[in-house]
Amino acid sequence: QLQLQESGSGLVKPSQTLSLTCAVSGGSISSGGYSWSWIRQPPGKGLEWIGYIYHSGSTYYNPSLKSRVTISVDRSKNQFSLKLSSVTAADTAVYYCARAPTVTNWFDPWGQGTLVTVSS
Amino acid sequence: QSVLTQPPSVSAAPGQKVTISCSGSSSNIGNNYVSWYQQLPGTAPKLLIYDNNKRPSGIPDRFSGSKSGTSATLGITGLQTGDEADYYCGTWDSSLSAGEVVFGGGTKLTVL
Repeated sequence: QLQLQESGSGLVKPSQTLSLTCAVSGGSISSGGYSWSWIRQPPGKGLEWIGYIYHSGSTYYNPSLKSRVTISVDRSKNQFSLKLSSVTAADTAVYYCARAPTVTNWFDPWGQGTLVTVSS
Repeated sequence: QSVLTQPPSVSAAPGQKVTISCSGSSSNIGNNYVSWYQQLPGTAPKLLIYDNNKRPSGIPDRFSGSKSGTSATLGITGLQTGDEADYYCGTWDSSLSAGEVVFGGGTKLTVL
């Protein structure tokens, strides 16, 4: 059974870069056929898709975040990562990683999520 | 505001049926598949419905999905107190030159 687990810094200062990693177990990122996404949820609010990456390294980002987002994959460690630069308080959220079959936009499974707070 | 419009809340009694709507446009729901997610308090979202009306294995048939034009609907029958959660719809939106995945604002289900 595929499982995803987010990790990274829970507290980031304004203007700095948020960095998170999603470790994949029970399956291989390199096997293909899927995209690997980051999705976030500000406290008490709805879901916002950040972007996804294929095992090949091809990426696709939310246009509203594109200038600040980098998603990368480390096939040797079976994980993928998110970097979000120039963060502000508006980037405070629970960040989830999730998988979607290629050419679809439904996500299953999801990681448990990790809260990132932007504060000085 | 979310691109997809959901009612903020719905409620019904145990054993009853409830529907949750998700309204969009031709740039999203009208030309793309819809998925639905259940988010129990303090947990990650869980896929309930994909491709408008398909249920992943393990999801009971009390949950159903449908789509008509630019709107989609999630139906839940035989309501249980354990169904109390936030429900989100999602799809692809191509209104910008570069598309994106979009979600509804979420609907809080209360089982009275």
